[in-house]
Amino acid sequence: AQSVTQLDSQVPVFEEAPVELRCNYSSSVSVYLFWYVQYPNQGLQLLLKYLSGSTLVESINGFEAEFNKSQTSFHLRKPSVHISDTAEYFCAVSDRGATNKLIFGTGTLLAVQP
Amino acid sequence: SAVISQKPSRDICQRGTSLTIQCQVDSQVTMMFWYRQQPGQSLTLIATANQGSEATYESGFVIDKFPISRPNLTFSTLTVSNMSPEDSSIYLCSVSNRGRGLYEQYFGPGTRLTVT
Repeated sequence: AQSVTQLDSQVPVFEEAPVELRCNYSSSVSVYLFWYVQYPNQGLQLLLKYLSGSTLVESINGFEAEFNKSQTSFHLRKPSVHISDTAEYFCAVSDRGATNKLIFGTGTLLAVQP
Repeated sequence: SAVISQKPSRDICQRGTSLTIQCQVDSQVTMMFWYRQQPGQSLTLIATANQGSEATYESGFVIDKFPISRPNLTFSTLTVSNMSPEDSSIYLCSVSNRGRGLYEQYFGPGTRLTVT
């Protein structure tokens, strides 16, 4: 079974400052890793994913995440945030088997202040 | 990515009634899922909707409470039966094409259910 821990329930940050949202996972098998974003009153959107290959993955809007197998982490970072990045961010894992079930963390609210 | 729609987008229902939520995808997908997001909480998988067979339910969810149908590769329904205020949540469907080598899931906009 897998589990996901997002230790920070809320991260306040000023506009144009860097940010890191932490995600740690636990699994006895190899996993795929995902970050989803949920803007206020909207559904979930896939932000980025790690399936295999390069451990650093990037999104089109400046976010990046690095898979660290030894630390079982998949932290999300952005060097300079905008007001429009204010949203709930969910880290999720799925096993590499046939079920494709997603296990979500509890989410981190990124609150960008002017 | 697939375009996913859900109906209704929101509803307010009375205790003891049932509501059926529809999920429509604009292309055929191999896997469909139903999740629940309780207020201020993360997402919890209810079940995997299998085309042509019974859904596979997660621990804590049962078919009598959450019957699911999936008559074809583009459509699924979730019914929330005999509702109580504790069922007030956002219900989301998601799809994936893992069988075709695509491992991510895409989510519908959700159905916001309030039970009074």
